[in-house]
Amino acid sequence: GNSVTQMEGPVTLSEEAFLTINCTYTATGYPSLFWYVQYPGEGLQLLLKATKADDKGSNKGFEATYRKETTSFHLEKGSVQVSDSAVYFCALRGSGNTGKLIFGQGTTLQVKP
Amino acid sequence: DSGVTQTPKHLITATGQRVTLRCSPRSGDLSVYWYQQSLDQGLQFLIQYYNGEERAKGNILERFSAQQFPDLHSELNLSSLELGDSALYFCASSRMDPQETQYFGPGTRLLVL
Repeated sequence: GNSVTQMEGPVTLSEEAFLTINCTYTATGYPSLFWYVQYPGEGLQLLLKATKADDKGSNKGFEATYRKETTSFHLEKGSVQVSDSAVYFCALRGSGNTGKLIFGQGTTLQVKP
Repeated sequence: DSGVTQTPKHLITATGQRVTLRCSPRSGDLSVYWYQQSLDQGLQFLIQYYNGEERAKGNILERFSAQQFPDLHSELNLSSLELGDSALYFCASSRMDPQETQYFGPGTRLLVL
């Protein structure tokens, strides 16, 4: 079945460092891919998405490119801020007629001043 | 604020009890999804409703049931509660098309003692 694998955290970075959080997936057909972010004590917020191969999703300085050849959707940001500290979830939605999301385990990011 | 509301925010109960979690989707959204977030299982899809009808089922226990009412709000009923049911329960909603973005509520934190 479909699945998502994320790099294990926590990831600890200094402010203004470069961020990469790896995400790979297994899926049949043509899934859509997402990054969601969960700030402490809050629900999940959609960060960015890509619906087909080679699409690049971007938002708030974060980017991820849908790579079908490597089945990956790695999250990157050039310069992180303390306010980016959160848990990041990679997710996929299959190409069927249900919208259910399959999530990775989540990666905790801590950014220190 | 995603526009999805969930009540209650916190719930503490005892083993063997039954609870009901409530979700109001964003205005105009016809689909409602329920997810469970626990330390050992991560974020898992439970069930989806679309315009009052069950659309998809995930790893939902037989002790759990859900429904979506004519006004489109949804309830998740958890019965014969066990310690392992302690988790954060999220509701999400989306527009008609299952390929539309899902917006998450703030969650209900359930603690079973």
